[in-house]
Amino acid sequence: EAQVTQNPRYLITVTGKKLTVTCSQNMNHEYMSWYRQDPGLGLRQIYYSMNVEVTDKGDVPEGYKVSRKEKRNFPLILESPSPNQTSLYFCASSFDGSGYEQYFGPGTRLTVT
Amino acid sequence: GNSVTQMEGPVTLSEEAFLTINCTYTATGYPSLFWYVQYPGEGLQLLLKATKADDKGSNKGFEATYRKETTSFHLEKGSVQVSDSAVYFCALYRYNNNDMRFGAGTRLTVKP
Repeated sequence: EAQVTQNPRYLITVTGKKLTVTCSQNMNHEYMSWYRQDPGLGLRQIYYSMNVEVTDKGDVPEGYKVSRKEKRNFPLILESPSPNQTSLYFCASSFDGSGYEQYFGPGTRLTVT
Repeated sequence: GNSVTQMEGPVTLSEEAFLTINCTYTATGYPSLFWYVQYPGEGLQLLLKATKADDKGSNKGFEATYRKETTSFHLEKGSVQVSDSAVYFCALYRYNNNDMRFGAGTRLTVKP
C-alpha cells in the first residue's frame, strides 16, 4: 500500500530533551516536507526537500533540523524542544521535485512540558 | 507574498443540506489550487484540484471552480452526508518558487 508513515504517533517529552520524529514514504517520491498544524493557523511548512541531500527552510524552521540521506526517509529533529513546539506534525511527499499534490502521513502529536 | 483565506468555522449542517465553504487567495501569476480534507485522527487527503482559470475540480460530489477574476476557489456540495464531517483546507501552490500555502481550515459537522 502506498503510504507515508510517521513514528511515533504520540509523544510527550520534557523541555530540552532531544527527540526525532521519523518519516518514511514508499512511493519513490522526490519531494518531502514537514508541517506543523496549530489551531487557527492551518498548516505551516517547517522544512522541505526537493531531492536527496537537498533541503530548504519553510516558514517556521527555527528550533528544527532535518536531513535527507535517503530518498524514502526525512526525519525531523528537535535538538532542544520547548513548550511552544507543542503541536501536531505532518510529513508529506510528492511525486516530482515540487510540492504539487502532496500525500500526507497520519500525524504526530507532540507535547513538550 | 502568497496567502489563502477561508471562511471561519465551525460549520454545522443537517444531512442533505447544501454546503459552501469560501476560499480566496492572494498570489502572483497563476497558482494551482487545491482542497484537502482531514478526517478525525488522520492526515490530510487531496479532495480536488484545479490548475488554471475556469477549471472545475470535482470529487465525491464536491466541486470547486478556479475563478481568476475574483481570486476564489469556493468548495460546494449539493447534499452533505454525516460522513463528510471533517476539516477542509484550501491551499495554493506556485511552481516558480515552490511555495505551498494552506488556509486555516474549516471544520464541518453534519448532523443526521
